[in-house]
Amino acid sequence: QKEVEQDPGPLSVPEGAIVSLNCTYSNSAFQYFMWYRQYSRKGPELLMYTYSSGNKEDGRFTAQVDKSSKYISLFIRDSQPSDSATYLCAMSRLSSASKIIFGSGTRLSIRP
Amino acid sequence: GVTQSPTHLIKTRGQQVTLRCSSQSGHNTVSWYQQALGQGPQFIFQYYREEENGRGNFPPRFSGLQFPNDSSELNVNALELDDSALYLCASSMMGSLPTEAFFGQGTRLTVV
Repeated sequence: QKEVEQDPGPLSVPEGAIVSLNCTYSNSAFQYFMWYRQYSRKGPELLMYTYSSGNKEDGRFTAQVDKSSKYISLFIRDSQPSDSATYLCAMSRLSSASKIIFGSGTRLSIRP
Repeated sequence: GVTQSPTHLIKTRGQQVTLRCSSQSGHNTVSWYQQALGQGPQFIFQYYREEENGRGNFPPRFSGLQFPNDSSELNVNALELDDSALYLCASSMMGSLPTEAFFGQGTRLTVV
């Protein structure tokens, strides 16, 4: 069993829709829960992160972590064609010395 | 930022390859990841102060070097077809948050 599971999609939605992306994990030692956005043939860029449990909102993006269920989500409101990319969930322990464990990524396409 | 070279390269099975990474100025830690097509990045190893500081599930033919001038290398010997992937480096400061690791654009390696 992988430490982090993510539905690979692809996911295609019309412009303006609400998008929900999800991951599950098995390692209860994870403390940082991150979402990266990766455009084709580019490196991943950190979109937002949550430390431990709870919600975090940044503009049209909301990240949620439920540690009791080992389940994290990213919601995108009012989706735009420019949001089309692969979204990677990622997790890590407390320090930068810890490796980052990535999900397999969900490929998202927003149709104009 | 973090820069990687070359952007693309093609190698023949059995050959050796060296990939290069220039870390963000002042960063003392570099991590390398392998991202196969359609998968999330997988941790190869991390270097801190020119010493290996943790390794993922990769064989010894994957090796690295870190130099005092913010540059580092990933070397892969005896290339196999399955080594075809996007190779990413991420630089950070030891002791910083895992969210403060910055990824390069990657080197796409094709083994034929």
